[in-house]
Amino acid sequence: QQQVKQSPQSLIVQKGGISIINCAYENTAFDYFPWYQQFPGKGPALLIAIRPDVSEKKEGRFTISFNKSAKQFSLHIMDSQPGDSATYFCAASQTNSGYALNFGKGTSLLVTP
Amino acid sequence: GAVVSQHPSWVICKSGTSVKIECRSLDFQATTMFWYRQFPKQSLMLMATSNEGSKATYEQGVEKDKFLINHASLTLSTLTVTSAHPEDSSFYICSARALPPVSYNEQFFGPGTRLTVL
Repeated sequence: QQQVKQSPQSLIVQKGGISIINCAYENTAFDYFPWYQQFPGKGPALLIAIRPDVSEKKEGRFTISFNKSAKQFSLHIMDSQPGDSATYFCAASQTNSGYALNFGKGTSLLVTP
Repeated sequence: GAVVSQHPSWVICKSGTSVKIECRSLDFQATTMFWYRQFPKQSLMLMATSNEGSKATYEQGVEKDKFLINHASLTLSTLTVTSAHPEDSSFYICSARALPPVSYNEQFFGPGTRLTVL
């Protein structure tokens, strides 16, 4: 059972554009929502994360928007660059349940020149 | 900081043999490490949670006698795939949970180990 649903499965954006990836969850006990970036043949790298006490977090070109009532969160990549082409995973975890991450299925992002 | 290494980065073995994969947190202590499996173009699937000094907790459907996990120290966890078969071929990734002041319970991932069973 997929506890975190991620969309779209793939995304093509022109250089300089905004990439938006969405995730939804059901378990209201989740209290940590990270985004990971993964390049082929590599392990995932933590990009940015948010906790439910804030609605938005920005780090450089990457922004997480969090809607607690809708149980949704999204990643915005501003001024997308070809080097951002990778697979992005959203995840969620629960502090009092071992911190195990529940991953979305991933979004393959291609930024064209 | 917060670097996790895995060894080996890739391994090819014959069917029926056992393979050990090491996961180390290089610059922090990790009381909890996680092992994931990832098939091509798919998401990460949690196999087990490993706590230092105690038995690992396996996810439903993961054979604990086939995937042996040992977390002997605060910086090292090992995954042994016993009697490997071609269907065990996959990308195995570990992660380590860092504690304050390194981070607030964030998980840092290793670079992964590509296992190919012939």
